[in-house]
Amino acid sequence: GQNIDQPTEMTATEGAIVQINCTYQTSGFNGLFWYQQHAGEAPTFLSYNVLDGLEEKGRFSSFLSRSKGYSYLLLKELQMKDSASYLCAVRDGYGQNFVFGPGTRLSVLP
Amino acid sequence: SAVISQKPSRDICQRGTSLTIQCQVDSQVTMMFWYRQQPGQSLTLIATANQGSEATYESGFVIDKFPISRPNLTFSTLTVSNMSPEDSSIYLCSVEGGRVSGNEQFFGPGTRLTVL
Repeated sequence: GQNIDQPTEMTATEGAIVQINCTYQTSGFNGLFWYQQHAGEAPTFLSYNVLDGLEEKGRFSSFLSRSKGYSYLLLKELQMKDSASYLCAVRDGYGQNFVFGPGTRLSVLP
Repeated sequence: SAVISQKPSRDICQRGTSLTIQCQVDSQVTMMFWYRQQPGQSLTLIATANQGSEATYESGFVIDKFPISRPNLTFSTLTVSNMSPEDSSIYLCSVEGGRVSGNEQFFGPGTRLTVL
């Protein structure tokens, strides 16, 4: 079966660093994606990992360990506008379908 | 990256009626995807629509309830049939093919449906 887990909610302070974890069990693996979704808006693409290791992109970094079925999204120098839901998604072994995790609602406090 | 538009952006419908949602992409794409996002929930894939063939539905979704059309490479429709309040949700279409990975999906703005 397909299963992706993320914490439901997290809270952090402006200027701090936060790590959002994602664990997955899927039928095959063809990449892991992180999306950001502000309330009332569509998800927007943040990052992509297909090989083990860290991908850095400005204030955002994403890590993948395929053997552990684990990823995290690291957000540095948090800003108020980073308050949003963060969705972890895995592309399955057939290479076509995305399976989305439940999302983590991040609140950044002043 | 693709630009995707959806119509309508929102609607309030009566129980038992049907609503057709349109999705238009500014470039030709092979696959289009329809998702549902219920309040406070994540995205659930309804079906994948390929041009020139029947849509492929995910477990729990059937063609009679969610008929899909894909008449060309830039357009698709999803119909929510015989609606009930449980169908109240945001419906999103998406396509894939970003520049970064070539695989990430881009989403339309969504259609917010409320069934009374």
